[in-house]
Amino acid sequence: GAVVSQHPSRVICKSGTSVKIECRSLDFQATTMFWYRQFPKQSLMLMATSNEGSKATYEQGVEKDKFLINHASLTLSTLTVTSAHPEDSSFYICSAGDRYTEAFFGQGTRLTVV
Amino acid sequence: KQEVTQIPAALSVPEGENLVLNCSFTDSAIYNLQWFRQDPGKGLTSLLLIQSSQREQTSGRLNASLDKSSGRSTLYIAASQPGDSATYLCAATGANSKLTFGKGITLSVRP
Repeated sequence: GAVVSQHPSRVICKSGTSVKIECRSLDFQATTMFWYRQFPKQSLMLMATSNEGSKATYEQGVEKDKFLINHASLTLSTLTVTSAHPEDSSFYICSAGDRYTEAFFGQGTRLTVV
Repeated sequence: KQEVTQIPAALSVPEGENLVLNCSFTDSAIYNLQWFRQDPGKGLTSLLLIQSSQREQTSGRLNASLDKSSGRSTLYIAASQPGDSATYLCAATGANSKLTFGKGITLSVRP
């Protein structure tokens, strides 16, 4: 199956700094990617839809200025958590795929803000 | 707004048992339904995808069924093994390609 690679898998940063997470589709072109957030023992919550060459679409309640998404190529989408705070600590996962195919997920990034 | 429910939240069974994991969704206008496995601290591994026009899919010891009219899907695991211990998530795909996830069922298979 298709492979989606997410990097880094784990990051610890200081409060107030920014962190960038990369999501790459390794063997297919993804015009659309999705970013999710998962709290402990909770389900995945969609944060935003990343569209190649255009602005991301954010879900209600997600701060677009805090979670910057860039989808500059057909194989790469990035999520930058700006001015991170401890409450931003979470597990972030990206996926690629459309409604006609299965969704392929990255390995996830565990962000800890101290 | 689509809502996906998985009950119970946790399940513990002895090795060798056949088991059924349930998933229900409120909006039957889905494109497909997917089952995923998630190990602690890891990403999601796709197990089975059922298109809206299909009734079931099989892969090895796994069989997933879909009944759109009743808003239900089940994942059947035959002859469970300790290695099957993980969290199983179902997700319904809407017209906008967005997935709505259930909270998952944490399965523990005891040796």
